Amino acid sequence: EAQVTQNPRYLITVTGKKLTVTCSQNMNHEYMSWYRQDPGLGLRQIYYSMNVEVTDKGDVPEGYKVSRKEKRNFPLILESPSPNQTSLYFCASSLSWGSRNEQYFGPGTRLTVT
Amino acid sequence: RKEVEQDPGPFNVPEGATVAFNCTYSNSASQSFFWYRQDCRKEPKLLMSVYSSGNEDGRFTAQLNRASQYISLLIRDSKLSDSATYLCVVNDLVSGSARQLTFGSGTQLTVLP
Repeated sequence: EAQVTQNPRYLITVTGKKLTVTCSQNMNHEYMSWYRQDPGLGLRQIYYSMNVEVTDKGDVPEGYKVSRKEKRNFPLILESPSPNQTSLYFCASSLSWGSRNEQYFGPGTRLTVT
Repeated sequence: RKEVEQDPGPFNVPEGATVAFNCTYSNSASQSFFWYRQDCRKEPKLLMSVYSSGNEDGRFTAQLNRASQYISLLIRDSKLSDSATYLCVVNDLVSGSARQLTFGSGTQLTVLP
C-alpha cells in the first residue's frame, strides 16, 4: 500500500531532551516536507527537500533540523525542544515539485513538550 | 496579513443543503490552487485541484477568479460524511524552481441530520 508513515504518533517529552520524528514514504517520491499545524494558524511548512541531500527552510524552521540521506526517509530533529514546539506535525511527500503534484500526508505526530 | 485567508466557520448546514466556501490569496503570481479535506485529528487529503476554467467532481465544484484573487468551493446536496475541515491551498513559485504550498487555516463544516 502506498503510504507515508510517521513515528511516533504521540510523544510527550520535557524541555531540552533531543528527539527525532521519523518519516518514510514508499512511493519513490522526490519531494518531501514537514509541516506543523496549530489552531488558527493552519499548516505551516518547517523544512522541505526536493531530492536526496537537497533540503531548504520553509516558513518556520527555527528549532528544527532535517536530513535527507535516502530518498524514502526524511526525519525531523528537535535538538532542544521547547514548549512552543508543542504541535501536530505532518510529513508529506509528492512525486516531484511540479505545480500540480498531489501532496500525500502522513498520519501526524502529536508532540507535547512540557 | 495572512497570504491565504478563509472564513473559519463553523458552517452548520442540514443534510441536502448547498454550501459554498471562499478563499482569498494575496500573491497575484500564485500558480496553482487546491482544496484539501481534513477530518478531525487526521491528515489532509486532496479533494480537488482548481483550474482556471472551473471544474466539477460530482457534487463538488471549484472556481478560480484570478482577477479578484479568490477561490471557491461549492458542495451540493451535502451529506453527513462531508463534515470536515476544508483547506484552501495555494502553490507559489518562491525562487528559481522552488515552490511552496501555503495553506489557509481551514473552514469547518458540519452537516446535520
